Amino acid sequence: QLQLQESGPGRVKPSETLSLTCSVSGASIRTSDFYWGWIRQPPGRGLEWIGRIQFGGSSYYNPSLKTRGTISVDTSKNQFSLKLTSVTAADTAVYYCARSPLYGDPVVLYETWGQGTLVTVSS
Amino acid sequence: QSVLTQPPSVSGAPGQRVTISCTGSSSNLGAGYEVHWYQQLPGTAPKLLIYLNNNRPSGVPDRFSGSKSGTSASLAITGLQAEDEADYYCQSYDSSLSGLVFGGGTKLTVL
Repeated sequence: QLQLQESGPGRVKPSETLSLTCSVSGASIRTSDFYWGWIRQPPGRGLEWIGRIQFGGSSYYNPSLKTRGTISVDTSKNQFSLKLTSVTAADTAVYYCARSPLYGDPVVLYETWGQGTLVTVSS
Repeated sequence: QSVLTQPPSVSGAPGQRVTISCTGSSSNLGAGYEVHWYQQLPGTAPKLLIYLNNNRPSGVPDRFSGSKSGTSASLAITGLQAEDEADYYCQSYDSSLSGLVFGGGTKLTVL
């Protein structure tokens, strides 16, 4: 059974880089059959798509991030990661990793989610 | 302000039918991009409820159904139960933004 688990620091200082990892168990990330993505949810607010990556393929990001985000895959550890640079208080949110089956661009729907991890941006 | 517009809240009594609307534009739902729906119970991660407009993943009761027409989509829940009390989000793709977009979410209260 597929399971996704986010990990990373719960607090990041303003202007620094937020780094999160999603560990995948129950399936190999080394497949082009799925998209792996990140979604966040500020406290008390709605969902916001951050970006996605496909093994051996391209990565795509929410334009609102203004190139601050980078998603990468580490097949040796069966995990994928998110880096978000120059963070501000507005980046405080619960961050979810998720998997989407491949239906062909640009169809993306997240069928499996991690439990989420809260990241607070504060000095 | 979300690209996909949902009512902030809806409510219904147990056993009743409720619908949640999701209104988009010509660059997302109106362009033919599919809509998907998620249910988020309090304190938990979202769960895929409806995909590709009107399909239910395995395990989702047939009390939940989805539809799409033009620039709008709807999620219908029949035979409302207390356990349905949650936040519901629609999601699609927007060609102007070149990315995935979510509705602002609708809080369902079971009276």
